Amino acid sequence: GESVGLHLPTLSVQEGDNSIINCAYSNSASDYFIWYKQESGKGPQFIIDIRSNMDKRQGQRVTVLLNKTVKHLSLQIAATQPGDSAVYFCARGGGSQGNLIFGKGTKLSVKP
Amino acid sequence: EAQVTQNPRYLITVTGKKLTVTCSQNMNHEYMSWYRQDPGLGLRQIYYSMNVEVTDKGDVPEGYKVSRKEKRNFPLILESPSPNQTSLYFCASSADRVAEQFFGPGTRLTVL
Repeated sequence: GESVGLHLPTLSVQEGDNSIINCAYSNSASDYFIWYKQESGKGPQFIIDIRSNMDKRQGQRVTVLLNKTVKHLSLQIAATQPGDSAVYFCARGGGSQGNLIFGKGTKLSVKP
Repeated sequence: EAQVTQNPRYLITVTGKKLTVTCSQNMNHEYMSWYRQDPGLGLRQIYYSMNVEVTDKGDVPEGYKVSRKEKRNFPLILESPSPNQTSLYFCASSADRVAEQFFGPGTRLTVL
């Protein structure tokens, strides 16, 4: 079946360093990928998305890279801050149901 | 303020006692969806609705019902809750099935 998964369940970085969170997917027909951030006690919050006809997309301090050849996407956070500490989910969207297929999540911890 | 609201935020109930979790959005979104979040399993879609009076099953629909009589509301109904429905539930909405989904704050349900 289809799956979206993350490589590492936890990631610890020093404040000010760059963070890279990785995700792999299995469905080649996926046309839309999204990264969500979930802080403790809150619902997932949209960070950035990327369509399958793109390789890279940049936002404020975040960049998403999509490598369709190896079915891999990554989220890069520049100059990581304590407020970036959260669980990050990649998700595949755009299917006929409109549902998001979520990965298991990576917990990012930022050390001061 | 654009938002998705859910009520109640916390609920403890007993097996077999019917309950409803309400969800409302004020963004005039056509697409609404319910997810459950469980440790180690991530977020999984329960039901979704493309528009008023149009609902369909997601990946884990057993034991749940929904209705979409109005555009803004999408209640989740558990006719006869069981302990395996203890979970954290999120409602989400978006302009359409490929647009950014906005999540509510979550409802933590415990079924004894």
